[in-house]
Amino acid sequence: SYVLTQPPSVSVAPGKTATITCGGNNIGSKSVHWYQQKPGQAPVLVIYYDTDRPSGIPERFSGSNSGNTATLTISRVEAGDEADYYCQVWDTTSDHSLFGGGTKLTVL
Amino acid sequence: EVQLVESGGGLVQPGGSLRLSCAASGFTFSSYWMTWVRQAPGKGLEWAANIKQDGSETYYVDSVKGRFTISRDNAKNSLYLQMNSLRAEDTAVYYCARGGSIEVASLDYWGQGTLVTVSA
Repeated sequence: SYVLTQPPSVSVAPGKTATITCGGNNIGSKSVHWYQQKPGQAPVLVIYYDTDRPSGIPERFSGSNSGNTATLTISRVEAGDEADYYCQVWDTTSDHSLFGGGTKLTVL
Repeated sequence: EVQLVESGGGLVQPGGSLRLSCAASGFTFSSYWMTWVRQAPGKGLEWAANIKQDGSETYYVDSVKGRFTISRDNAKNSLYLQMNSLRAEDTAVYYCARGGSIEVASLDYWGQGTLVTVSA
């Protein structure tokens, strides 16, 4: 079955750039969506279809997807960006949706 | 304003049943795929089930297949998850979420979740 692999944690200083990866076999051929989840809250969609931002999501959030890795990039990181981030795809082979294991972003 | 409000969670014994509901408002419910996602305490998100707009297609994660049934009532703008033969590992917050209008796609709106605890 298809597997999405994320680093458990990423740390970044305020004002710097955070990069969160999501690895999967030929993930570049799939559409990847990213969610932000803060403690005690429901997830929020921050990137859809690899690169698109929903309204209300700052331009500091961007995404890319190629080969075996999809990437969520957060520029000029702020304290309020501290959260868990999850990637998600729909695997057409199995007709299953699946999430990566999540990455905890810590702002130093 | 799009709103999704889950209900029906609670404490249930192993082997028991529970039916979750999700009341949708602020959009044309019958035009969207809908999804249940769960999150065990301290763990990550796990997709549980999807249902197509007219209910003609449903998909489940392997761990719930044969035990859970996703359904919808478009006349009532409601999504359901019937959970039978519950196990301790089904303990989680269950979220309903809106999918796409053409394909499953991303989940752009989520409810606040309802907690299901399976314990003796």
